[in-house]
Amino acid sequence: EVQLVQSGTEVKKPGESLKISCKGSGYNFNTYWIGWVRQRPGQGLEWMGIIYPGDSDTRYGPSFQGQVTISADKSTGTAYLQWGSLKASDTAMYYCVRHGGSDWNARWFDPWGRGTLVTVSS
Amino acid sequence: EKVMTQSPATLSLSPGERATLSCRASESISDNLAWYQQKPGLAPRLLIYDATTRAAGIPARFSGSGSETEFTLTISSLQSEDFAVYYCQQYNRWPLTFGPGTKVELK
Repeated sequence: EVQLVQSGTEVKKPGESLKISCKGSGYNFNTYWIGWVRQRPGQGLEWMGIIYPGDSDTRYGPSFQGQVTISADKSTGTAYLQWGSLKASDTAMYYCVRHGGSDWNARWFDPWGRGTLVTVSS
Repeated sequence: EKVMTQSPATLSLSPGERATLSCRASESISDNLAWYQQKPGLAPRLLIYDATTRAAGIPARFSGSGSETEFTLTISSLQSEDFAVYYCQQYNRWPLTFGPGTKVELK
């Protein structure tokens, strides 16, 4: 069974750094794009970016370029999303997603992780 | 960036009724469209990809149609578990983008 297991809830203060994780299992981690989707409270879905672990090719959504860093560790099958300095506006649920297929065109998201809730408050 | 819009924002229906949800792209995306269902407190779930192909385990009452800029998700006969928010997503070009969602609520 293909699974994406995300790290747990985080409560941070503005200005702090954070790195959350997503461990893939049940498939060849190196050959599927894996990335992140943000959902602010009561809002819709926003694609943040994605990485191809095989060669670390990374793409970011325009609102997230320079704001976050997406990385992957092939040795552990884990993807990461990190912030250098959190803001209150980063408060959201963050979902880990994998592309639906290893083919370049299969850029729908399946499966989804259960989400990591990040709360940033002073 | 390809902008996705969805209509209506909210659809109020009764169990057994047919639901028709629309998704429009700002420019042609061929058939590079997916639909997701999200229930409160849960992660979204893939329903449809390539505009018309049902994902594994998705009931046949869910169907997708359309191409280029106009797409439709149809739920032929609403079940109680289908009341949720539905999002479309284009994957024709980076950046990948979602529509704002349609909430299907109990009338």
